[in-house]
Amino acid sequence: GAGVSQSPSNKVTEKGKDVELRCDPISGHTALYWYRQSLGQGLEFLIYFQGNSAPDKSGLPSDRFSAERTGGSVSTLTIQRTQQEDSAVYLCASSLVGAVTEAFFGQGTRLTVV
Amino acid sequence: AQTVTQSQPEMSVQEAETVTLSCTYDTSENNYYLFWYKQPPSRQMILVIRQEAYKQQNATENRFSVNFQKAAKSFSLKISDSQLGDTAMYFCAFTNQGAQKLVFGQGTRLTINP
Repeated sequence: GAGVSQSPSNKVTEKGKDVELRCDPISGHTALYWYRQSLGQGLEFLIYFQGNSAPDKSGLPSDRFSAERTGGSVSTLTIQRTQQEDSAVYLCASSLVGAVTEAFFGQGTRLTVV
Repeated sequence: AQTVTQSQPEMSVQEAETVTLSCTYDTSENNYYLFWYKQPPSRQMILVIRQEAYKQQNATENRFSVNFQKAAKSFSLKISDSQLGDTAMYFCAFTNQGAQKLVFGQGTRLTINP
């Protein structure tokens, strides 16, 4: 696609429910990143995928968070048993291999846990 | 650990004025990249300008320029002839050469008044 696409744009969920957030990277981009932006804060790194290599999961805040990337393209971020502190904007970015300096961001998913 | 600090939570100027946003960072590395990103209400992070630490010359992009002071670990953004469309959140970010994570500051909310 022309840009990084994320869905849904907004998601409201009840505390304790599971949610899935989707990211479609730019075609040909092998690197994919997830960031979290809590209210009034900067972006916090969550996870990084590069091709078929093992992902860098060092930023995931708890074992309730997981992510996968199927076929080296689309990625899904899953949050299990959501808590109110999970409310944030979740941003995805993609780039060519080893080029975080050239990363392009999507418009994010605003997650609200009520 | 690398950190990025933006000391101005909010700034407001009149259209056509010049405004400078401050950023300091902390790293023990010698080779790295610094960025300024713009985040309008659409939430998409847009790269405004990038500076490689090994370059002494300050980067410029049209009305946007930086003042990079490596010894002081300072990286300010100057916006000249500010326009209403410059109204947004601005984030300073950093990454070490070869790393795949961007470290962000907490942002400065800039308002350009007509």
